[in-house]
Amino acid sequence: AQTVTQSQPEMSVQEAETVTLSCTYDTSESDYYLFWYKQPPSRQMILVIRQEAYKQQNATENRFSVNFQKAAKSFSLKISDSQLGDAAMYFCAYRSALRAGSYQLTFGKGTKLSVIP
Amino acid sequence: DTGVSQDPRHKITKRGQNVTFRCDPISEHNRLYWYRQTLGQGPEFLTYFQNEAQLEKSRLLSDRFSAERPKGSFSTLEIQRTEQGDSAMYLCASSPTFGGPTDTQYFGPGTRLTVL
Repeated sequence: AQTVTQSQPEMSVQEAETVTLSCTYDTSESDYYLFWYKQPPSRQMILVIRQEAYKQQNATENRFSVNFQKAAKSFSLKISDSQLGDAAMYFCAYRSALRAGSYQLTFGKGTKLSVIP
Repeated sequence: DTGVSQDPRHKITKRGQNVTFRCDPISEHNRLYWYRQTLGQGPEFLTYFQNEAQLEKSRLLSDRFSAERPKGSFSTLEIQRTEQGDSAMYLCASSPTFGGPTDTQYFGPGTRLTVL
């Protein structure tokens, strides 16, 4: 079974600075998808960024980018120019691309990000 | 596109009672998922529908849990004889099978269940 590990329960960053959230995963599969979701307090979870494992190029979405290291099974999220609205729980998630009909996401325990004004 | 909606947003019940939650996916999303999230944890997969067919169930989905998706539109999750351990946030998500990144799931606001 796949597992996702987020080793930083909490992180903080100064407004306008850069922060990196870590995620590692364990899988024997060669093709899969990785995601970062953001869950603001008392609000619904929204997708931040996604990465296909077969793509070597790291995904980027505006101020959000990932460092995908397939051999190391590492998938970190970098937030540049942090804003107060970035404060939230961030979850790393894995989804197999190989198992037919299996679309479940496996999540890590999350990292709580605080942004200091 | 109004997003995934869930009802109710909060439910307080006494142990032993039955509860039912509803999820309305994004229109034209054929796939629908249920997850459970307990405090301090990430969401855990419960079950998945493609149209009206329930194609995958987690071991977390005990016999007291049943999910349906009649006509392939909205879905209901029922918990019978609730236990205190059922207290959690129940999240619904949906994803398309065409016209976009079919691997991406879009989440609703969740139903927070408290069992007294």
